[in-house]
Amino acid sequence: ETGVTQTPRHLVMGMTNKKSLKCEQHLGHNAMYWYKQSAKKPLELMFVYNFKEQTENNSVPSRFSPECPNSSHLFLHLHTLQPEDSALYLCASSQARGQGYQPQHFGDGTRLSIL
Amino acid sequence: SQQGEEDPQALSIQEGENATMNCSYKTSINNLQWYRQNSGRGLVHLILIRSNEREKHSGRLRVTLDTSKKSSSLLITASRAADTASYFCASIQGAQKLVFGQGTRLTINP
Repeated sequence: ETGVTQTPRHLVMGMTNKKSLKCEQHLGHNAMYWYKQSAKKPLELMFVYNFKEQTENNSVPSRFSPECPNSSHLFLHLHTLQPEDSALYLCASSQARGQGYQPQHFGDGTRLSIL
Repeated sequence: SQQGEEDPQALSIQEGENATMNCSYKTSINNLQWYRQNSGRGLVHLILIRSNEREKHSGRLRVTLDTSKKSSSLLITASRAADTASYFCASIQGAQKLVFGQGTRLTINP
């Protein structure tokens, strides 16, 4: 149990569907992250939120839309995805910036397959 | 651009042997971290070494850092089957952006 829970664990969707990934952390952290892990590519940071405010968007296509309603919850809304978006999407949390470096705690990810 | 590059990409050893994985990076760092990922799971933070440190230990883990060569190594001593996983190095860019390498896939054979 890492303290970071992601749902669903697996998701299969068509290119025209709309779905959302959910992440919840129980660690009292104030920063949350979305990462994409594709086969044969390094883990890529997508978005960073500090105290519910988006502080980093790593040139992610607009078909990925993050939402952070509070410091414990993070969503990734998906629509009109492409086959190359099939990957493992990982959520992480940590203490927010300005508090010295703290390691990031990861959930187990959502395995997304685009048909 | 990819910051960390692990070497080897895959490593298979017998239980009880030591495993050494290397990481090279391109730009200056404040610290470098190592993470483990078991199959089908998320990443777990193992150890952090700061740029002014040369070596750090945590249990059976030993990490070294050579900033002049922009490289780091992770040594796992007396390996166990449970150490089978992928291992990643990561550096921080800016305040929070972790940049990962592609990882070393370690298999411990019983």
